[in-house]
Amino acid sequence: AQSVSQHNHHVILSEAASLELGCNYSYGGTVNLFWYVQYPGQHLQLLLKYFSGDPLVKGIKGFEAEFIKSKFSFNLRKPSVQWSDTAEYFCAVILNSGYALNFGKGTSLLVTP
Amino acid sequence: DTGVSQDPRHKITKRGQNVTFRCDPISEHNRLYWYRQTLGQGPEFLTYFQNEAQLEKSRLLSDRFSAERPKGSFSTLEIQRTEQGDSAMYLCASSLVRSGAITGELFFGEGSRLTVL
Repeated sequence: AQSVSQHNHHVILSEAASLELGCNYSYGGTVNLFWYVQYPGQHLQLLLKYFSGDPLVKGIKGFEAEFIKSKFSFNLRKPSVQWSDTAEYFCAVILNSGYALNFGKGTSLLVTP
Repeated sequence: DTGVSQDPRHKITKRGQNVTFRCDPISEHNRLYWYRQTLGQGPEFLTYFQNEAQLEKSRLLSDRFSAERPKGSFSTLEIQRTEQGDSAMYLCASSLVRSGAITGELFFGEGSRLTVL
């Protein structure tokens, strides 16, 4: 079945620690990949996206993600997290032939001072 | 604010009642999506519109759910005969998709939280 898997449901980090959130998908065909973030009390907003080209994509607020086609993965990274990165992070996939984003269950990140 | 707006933000209703949520997308966006999100889960796709045409509705959860976008602008999502299992956050998103493109960035509203007692 087609799915998006986020391995870590809850992550707690200290400020300045490095972050990597895993995302794997099981879709055949060409995919387009996204990471969305939801800060407490706010709406979902786009962090970054991959459609084609350079598999290392950079997003807002120092986040980046790497598309590894052979591993069906699109992991999110940030070298040094800040308290303000505390949020829920969602990986999402859409097929080239598709019409709607399919989301993973999300990872809740808590950054402690 | 020129983002996606949803109304009401929170609705409490008794089981068996009908509820309607409204979504006003970003004005130039041609696609409008409805998602549902429950605790601990990611958003779950329900339906979407391209202008006023509802192009996919098979993922609506039951025949109690219906959506409209009569003039290609705002949209409504109605749930008839609500059940406790309908309690969730209902999210609306819009995007501008140009001809031949897959999708644009989805811009989400803040959601309408439904509590069914």
